[in-house]
Amino acid sequence: KQEVTQIPAALSVPEGENLVLNCSFTDSAIYNLQWFRQDPGKGLTSLLLIQSSQREQTSGRLNASLDKSSGRSTLYIAASQPGDSATYLCALPPPCATNKLIFGTGTLLAVQP
Amino acid sequence: EAGVAQSPRYKIIEKRQSVAFWCNPISGHATLYWYQQILGQGPKLLIQFQNNGVVDDSQLPKDRFSAERLKGVDSTLKIQPAKLEDSAVYLCASSLGKGMNTEAFFGQGTRLTVV
Repeated sequence: KQEVTQIPAALSVPEGENLVLNCSFTDSAIYNLQWFRQDPGKGLTSLLLIQSSQREQTSGRLNASLDKSSGRSTLYIAASQPGDSATYLCALPPPCATNKLIFGTGTLLAVQP
Repeated sequence: EAGVAQSPRYKIIEKRQSVAFWCNPISGHATLYWYQQILGQGPKLLIQFQNNGVVDDSQLPKDRFSAERLKGVDSTLKIQPAKLEDSAVYLCASSLGKGMNTEAFFGQGTRLTVV
């Protein structure tokens, strides 16, 4: 059974700092991994999707990496801004089902101005 | 491109009452999901449709929850009767559903409070 863990549960950083969010999973037989952002009271916004054959994906100030063998993914945010404050969730399909997602519990990020 | 639409955004009901949520997925997306997100937790899949057929409803409390996807497009999720522990955000998502590695897109969610 695939289990997804995100550490830390909460993170507070000053504006301008670079930061890394972590996502760990127990079964390395994955097809892809997706990072989402969730603002309070809102739905999920997809940030990056990494295919199993890829090692990283970049979008603007965001960079997501994937290391299947160690069961880890990281989301790197460069030059953080107060507008980056949100909950960040990673999710991936279980090995036997490619089109549903198992989510971590998220990391609540606060970027202090 | 229009995103996933959900309504209502908020709903407050008393326990034992009934409630229904509506979702309109992105046009052309064959796969539709309903997730339940309890405060402080990640979303949990309730049911997954491929076109108008159910693919996975293993975590749907079938004694009180039901869902349907009319003509393979819109979907409704119903709770009858509601319990206090059903208070959560109900998220609808859709994906192309063709092959593997398909990206999921989420709606804004419906926040349900059962009092």
